[in-house]
Amino acid sequence: GAVVSQHPSWVICKSGTSVKIECRSLDFQATTMFWYRQFPKQSLMLMATSNEGSKATYEQGVEKDKFLINHASLTLSTLTVTSAHPEDSSFYICSARDRVGTEIQVQYFGPGTRLTVT
Amino acid sequence: QKEVEQDPGPLSVPEGAIVSLNCTYSNSAFQYFMWYRQYSRKGPELLMYTYSSGNKEDGRFTAQVDKSSKYISLFIRDSQPSDSATYLCAMRGFQKLVFGTGTRLLVSP
Repeated sequence: GAVVSQHPSWVICKSGTSVKIECRSLDFQATTMFWYRQFPKQSLMLMATSNEGSKATYEQGVEKDKFLINHASLTLSTLTVTSAHPEDSSFYICSARDRVGTEIQVQYFGPGTRLTVT
Repeated sequence: QKEVEQDPGPLSVPEGAIVSLNCTYSNSAFQYFMWYRQYSRKGPELLMYTYSSGNKEDGRFTAQVDKSSKYISLFIRDSQPSDSATYLCAMRGFQKLVFGTGTRLLVSP
């Protein structure tokens, strides 16, 4: 149980284009989803927290107009990197927190999406 | 001072060894403690989850939390080469999950 999927697993795009990454909780409902960014050999950096049906909360220093987050349902959140630039190249990982049950404080992570902007 | 401190390693051990991974923290509001395993170029995988102080065992893994010392540990018994990965501790109180930097573990055959 508690599986989170991401699509695509890797993507290469040209500078100036937009990329959408999907995150799905497959066997549970997630009221809250998170988006992280990870640079090589570094820990995860929280970008934003999204609650189903409401606007995402962005961490300090993260441009909300550049990283658009939509959490339209209890099982789907999307991250769109708009007007991507080479410095946006990174490993993006989503996470979901179960809505119910005894382990409601536990976050489950997706497999990650590697974005390369050329 | 970081909220969560974790030695980045690498920690190299022979197969079959007992591995001890540790984190210290400064925020006394943390109540939920987790250990994740992350293989290269993959998302973190939840290994253990504990609430408050005490021990929890699951197969070869044992998680310990000592809130009085603000210290948590993950023990791996009979370590295997497949355990080679980065181990991240994570914890939270009422706010967001805070991660350690991760310890890279290398188990040699």
